[in-house]
Amino acid sequence: AQSVTQLDSQVPVFEEAPVELRCNYSSSVSVYLFWYVQYPNQGLQLLLKYLSGSTLVKGINGFEAEFNKSQTSFHLRKPSVHISDTAEYFCAVSNNNDMRFGAGTRLTVKP
Amino acid sequence: DADVTQTPRNRITKTGKRIMLECSQTKGHDRMYWYRQDPGLGLQLIYYSFDVKDINKGEISDGYSVSRQAQAKFSLSLESAIPNQTALYFCATARAGTDTQYFGPGTRLTVL
Repeated sequence: AQSVTQLDSQVPVFEEAPVELRCNYSSSVSVYLFWYVQYPNQGLQLLLKYLSGSTLVKGINGFEAEFNKSQTSFHLRKPSVHISDTAEYFCAVSNNNDMRFGAGTRLTVKP
Repeated sequence: DADVTQTPRNRITKTGKRIMLECSQTKGHDRMYWYRQDPGLGLQLIYYSFDVKDINKGEISDGYSVSRQAQAKFSLSLESAIPNQTALYFCATARAGTDTQYFGPGTRLTVL
C-alpha cells in the first residue's frame, strides 16, 4: 500500500513570508495526490489535488503544489502567508479509493 | 446547510459503554468512510462502504462496527468503549469513480 511522509511536524513563519510544506510519498502504482487543511475545531477541507496533467496544481487561498514523480514529492507552497493560514495541513495519497494520510504539518503564522 | 454532518459533535462517555456516532450526507455520493485522528498520527481508516450493501474493514477496525442504513447514512459504533478510543472521528464521502473525499466536521469522543 502507498504511504506518505510529511517531513516537518511544525512550521513557524512570519506573516507575508513564503512557506513550503514538504510531502513525500511511496507507491508502486500510479496515485492521486491531495492536500487538505484543517482549521482549529473544524473538519478537513480540500486545498488542492493532482489527478493528471500539469504537474503544477493551484488550489484555494493562494496555495499551489508541484508533483515531482522522480522525487516522489508533492510539496505545498504559498508565496506570502497570512495569519489566517494558521492551521494543520495534511498530505494524502490515494489509489483506487484507498487514501493514506501523512501525520500532518502544523503551520503557525506569526505577526 | 453542510453537505456532510456528524452527530454528536462532542461526547464524553465511560469505559464499557456502547456509543454510536452518526454521519449523514446530502452530496449524493455512494462511498462513505470513517476515520479517526490522533495527534501526530494523521488520519487512519476504520471502515468504508462503497454502497449500501458493501462494508469493508480499514486499517484499524478492531473494536468498531458500522452500519450503512441508507445511501446517505453511515453509523460507527463502539460496542464497549475503552480509553484508547479517545480521539477525533471523521466521516467522509466520495463519488464513485473518483478519489476525492469530502469530510464532515468531526466528533470529539472522550472515553473516561
